[in-house]
Amino acid sequence: EAGVTQFPSHSVIEKGQTVTLRCDPISGHDNLYWYRRVMGKEIKFLLHFVKESKQDESGMPNNRFLAERTGGTYSTLKVQPAELEDSGVYFCASSQVSVSDNEQFFGPGTRLTVL
Amino acid sequence: ILNVEQSPQSLHVQEGDSTNFTCSFPSSNFYALHWYRWETAKSPEALFVMTLNGDEKKKGRISATLNTKEGYSYLYIKGSQPEDSATYLCASPGSNTGKLIFGQGTTLQVKP
Repeated sequence: EAGVTQFPSHSVIEKGQTVTLRCDPISGHDNLYWYRRVMGKEIKFLLHFVKESKQDESGMPNNRFLAERTGGTYSTLKVQPAELEDSGVYFCASSQVSVSDNEQFFGPGTRLTVL
Repeated sequence: ILNVEQSPQSLHVQEGDSTNFTCSFPSSNFYALHWYRWETAKSPEALFVMTLNGDEKKKGRISATLNTKEGYSYLYIKGSQPEDSATYLCASPGSNTGKLIFGQGTTLQVKP
């Protein structure tokens, strides 16, 4: 069974440009999470989808970030316009159910560098 | 605000040494404790999900214990090998919805 995949693996853009990250969760997983790790800091929650609905977007930094999950399958995270502080590794995770003791399966992350 | 702390931040050991590190979390409103192993450019790999006070879980040479009353978990690696070199992350959900709050991680380097 394929794991969580993310595209691209790396992205280098200039400040002010737009970048779209994609996450394909494990097939059948209704729950999809986005997290971000800024260099030297802990991984932080961004948002949580249940199917196509945003369950919790309390971790989204500001309105330059837009996440979508049309059809409840893959998800995209768009950053527009990108700022220097957006650099980091963006992880996606998926799980079958959204309870606290359910394992979340992580993708390898997209490393975003904003110059 | 839920705060998860890990110590030490980094650790260098010789091959064959046993080692352990700590994850601390608030003992009130505890739901679960997750341990992950992460190598850069790879997917964080789930090691354990623990919920019961006093629980101990084991996977090969790696084991973990949980004390929910005092708010800590230990991860032990017996007879460290170079392939154990990675960052070990612990995370605790802030609620019963699965949103994980991570510690900063402990980066382990095992020298041959």
